[in-house]
Amino acid sequence: SQQGEEDPQALSIQEGENATMNCSYKTSINNLQWYRQNSGRGLVHLILIRSNEREKHSGRLRVTLDTSKKSSSLLITASRAADTASYFCATASGPPGGAGSYQLTFGKGTKLSVIP
Amino acid sequence: KAGVTQTPRYLIKTRGQQVTLSCSPISGHRSVSWYQQTPGQGLQFLFEYFSETQRNKGNFPGRFSGRQFSNSRSEMNVSTLELGDSALYLCASSFGTGVYEQYFGPGTRLTVT
Repeated sequence: SQQGEEDPQALSIQEGENATMNCSYKTSINNLQWYRQNSGRGLVHLILIRSNEREKHSGRLRVTLDTSKKSSSLLITASRAADTASYFCATASGPPGGAGSYQLTFGKGTKLSVIP
Repeated sequence: KAGVTQTPRYLIKTRGQQVTLSCSPISGHRSVSWYQQTPGQGLQFLFEYFSETQRNKGNFPGRFSGRQFSNSRSEMNVSTLELGDSALYLCASSFGTGVYEQYFGPGTRLTVT
């Protein structure tokens, strides 16, 4: 079952504009991660934000996490045509009792198109 | 470091057959996870192995199984293939379980006819 839900499902912007994608989830998490997938290929890890962090930056990427609202956002600034891809949020939740491994659960993704 | 490799990259099978997919993780990574990706269901977690032990399992029927070897390489097997098993199967490796970022392979595209 999907834990994270991205919004919007699809986004089309002009090169140079900023792109914002949102992710909502339902249960408590250890961390939230964002991944990018180019058409039909493997996923590339972008950024990991822990549950006790509120904001994280990596190059042109900015991720925020609001655990009270169970939501996260990914901002890509000054977008480029090469940013065209699907973006997924994934939540890492531990098993009941806190011991053992964590499962990474992915949302259905936001399809971003950056028009040159 | 070499990335995660998956073999084969493409596979066509008929209903009722079985298939084995292989994944070689990044050197030093001991956790391997498998995912199924379809247009309708998205990315769904199959199972995770760490040090040759299955640590976590998703909600898939028993036809889906896996194992991990002492060198951390992993295989997944699907028996009695159904049309609905057509998907991109992704393998990901990480240093540990869940709390670390995962590094994905290019996937195996399985088509069941």
